[in-house]
Amino acid sequence: GAGVSQSPRYKVAKRGQDVALRCDPISGHVSLFWYQQALGQGPEFLTYFQNEAQLDKSGLPSDRFFAERPEGSVSTLKIQRTQQEDSAVYLCASSSPRNTEAFFGQGTRLTVV
Amino acid sequence: AQSVTQLGSHVSVSEGALVLLRCNYSSSVPPYLFWYVQYPNQGLQLLLKYTTGATLVKGINGFEAEFKKSETSFHLTKPSAHMSDAAEYFCAVSDQGGGGNKLTFGTGTQLKVEL
Repeated sequence: GAGVSQSPRYKVAKRGQDVALRCDPISGHVSLFWYQQALGQGPEFLTYFQNEAQLDKSGLPSDRFFAERPEGSVSTLKIQRTQQEDSAVYLCASSSPRNTEAFFGQGTRLTVV
Repeated sequence: AQSVTQLGSHVSVSEGALVLLRCNYSSSVPPYLFWYVQYPNQGLQLLLKYTTGATLVKGINGFEAEFKKSETSFHLTKPSAHMSDAAEYFCAVSDQGGGGNKLTFGTGTQLKVEL
């Protein structure tokens, strides 16, 4: 596709529910990042993939957060037993090895009620 | 560890006036520096970046920024503000090594442009 695509754009979850957020990166981009942006804050790094390998997951806030990219393209961020503090915009970004620029998707706004 | 400080969470300017958004960074290695803009309910769009070479970098929409190593700063400027510049601006830093250029962001500056 022309850009990074994320779905759904908006998700409302009841506390305790599991959610899955999808990211479709730019074709051919080997690097994929997930960021969490709380209201009024800058994005914060969650995890990084190079192809299908998850090379850095130091930003995942708890073991309820899990990300995968099994075929090195589409990625899914899963949050188990959602809590109110998980409410945020989740941004996905991708980049190619020869380009220092990361291209961002429009994000998924998660609201936990 | 890297960090970014953006002075002023809200900046208001008149249309046609100079825009100056401040960014200071901390990095243990020579940094890559970025400015991103975010419009409501949108993702982040790259305005400009510094990697190596010329310290004054020009970006889209008439914005530019100057990397000053001695001041650890990367302030964003635009000579004449336009109403369409109203948005949130984020400064970010990454190291030049591995990690796929993981970005560390500041907390953002909301720019308001008034008539």
